Order: sequence, then C-alpha cells, then structure tokens
Amino acid sequence: NSKVIQTPRYLVKGQGQKAKMRCIPEKGHPVVFWYQQNKNNEFKFLINFQNQEVLQQIDMTEKRFSAECPSNSPCSLEIQSSEAGDSALYLCASSPGLGNYEQYFGPGTRLTVL
Amino acid sequence: GQQVKQSSPSLTVQEGGISILNCDYENDMFDYFAWYKKYPDNSPTLLISVRSNVDKREDGRLTVFLNKSGKHFSLHITASQPEDTAVYLCAAEIYGNEKITFGAGTKLTIKP
Repeated sequence: NSKVIQTPRYLVKGQGQKAKMRCIPEKGHPVVFWYQQNKNNEFKFLINFQNQEVLQQIDMTEKRFSAECPSNSPCSLEIQSSEAGDSALYLCASSPGLGNYEQYFGPGTRLTVL
Repeated sequence: GQQVKQSSPSLTVQEGGISILNCDYENDMFDYFAWYKKYPDNSPTLLISVRSNVDKREDGRLTVFLNKSGKHFSLHITASQPEDTAVYLCAAEIYGNEKITFGAGTKLTIKP
C-alpha cells in the first residue's frame, strides 16, 4: 500500500486567495510528481522534482503555481491566486528514482475555489 | 490533443466474465505502459505495467497486451468480481521523460 501522505484532504478557497497543499513522499523516494485531475477524470502533469530540484513543469505551473520539495520537510504545491478553474483533485506521487516508472500516489487534496 | 485515449468511458461486465479495457496512444516513443485502478475518493493504485520489449504480461487474473504497431494496449481481467468495480486508468511514458501521461479512465462495473 502506498505511504504517500497528502494534506489537507479538502481545501476551500475564494478566488484570488492562496491555496497550499502538502505531500510527504514514500520514504526513500527521491522523485515527486504533482498532477491535477479535473472533472473529466483527466490527469494533467504539473511538475516533478528529484530531491529538491525541479525536473519539469508546465507553463501554468511556472506562472501561478509555486512548488518546492525542501530537504527534511514536506513537498508543497501552492497556487498564488486561486481561480475557479483550479478546482480539482491534486495528486502527489512519488517514485523510487529516475527511469523507474513506478509511481505511488497519495490520496489527493480536493481543492474547491468558490 | 490527448496522447493517451480510453475511448470507452464505461463498461459493464457480468460477474465471472472477462473485462477488457482498451487504451490507444499517439506517441510511438512511449515505451512503458501501465494500468491503474481508482476507487472514488481514493488515489490511483498501480495494477500492472509492461515495457515495450514484451507484448504480454500476466499477473494473476490480470493480463496486459501490448500492440506497438497498432499503438494500442489493453487490460484483461478474467473471472471478474464485484470488487473489480472501479475506474481504470491507462498510462504511458517515454523512458527518461519522467512524466506519465494518463488516459481519462474507464468506469468498470461488475454486475452480480
């Protein structure tokens, strides 16, 4: 069973507010991914890290989202100014390493932007 | 456009039957293919995966078939049971890309 921990499970914000969610990857997993799952059940890749370094991120993440994976602290994904379209399930996944395709998901943070 | 497509949003199979879930992809550089199972309000769980150097992999009641020339892979679940009812997501990745691409999911319902 996956041991990826995500908090909070539910998050409600008003438009323009900051929304921050956290992820603790499985112990020993240096690679962390963030995905957004929309109402159509589509997964959109947002950003990934190896240890503290960003490997890849999409344009949306570069502009309004900030993410980090500091050493000895949970990874975080923060939306600087929430928009209605950001309402989604945000999933964090971790992997044992680059080139290892296996990804283990956390339970997700369901964000609702009013 | 969608690089990984699950054309059937839902599928109903009688208990004991074979469930066949299909996935098509566009990028012929993909070399890793996987199926995930997702219950409502739970995160996806990796079920079974296959690299592009094989065209079939079995694990208990699950079998993945890969057809690289057709850019298609499928998941067969034999002796389907009510607890198999869930959303199944297919996924594909390019080695070194580190960014899995998921399909939209197929909701499988097993009728007792």
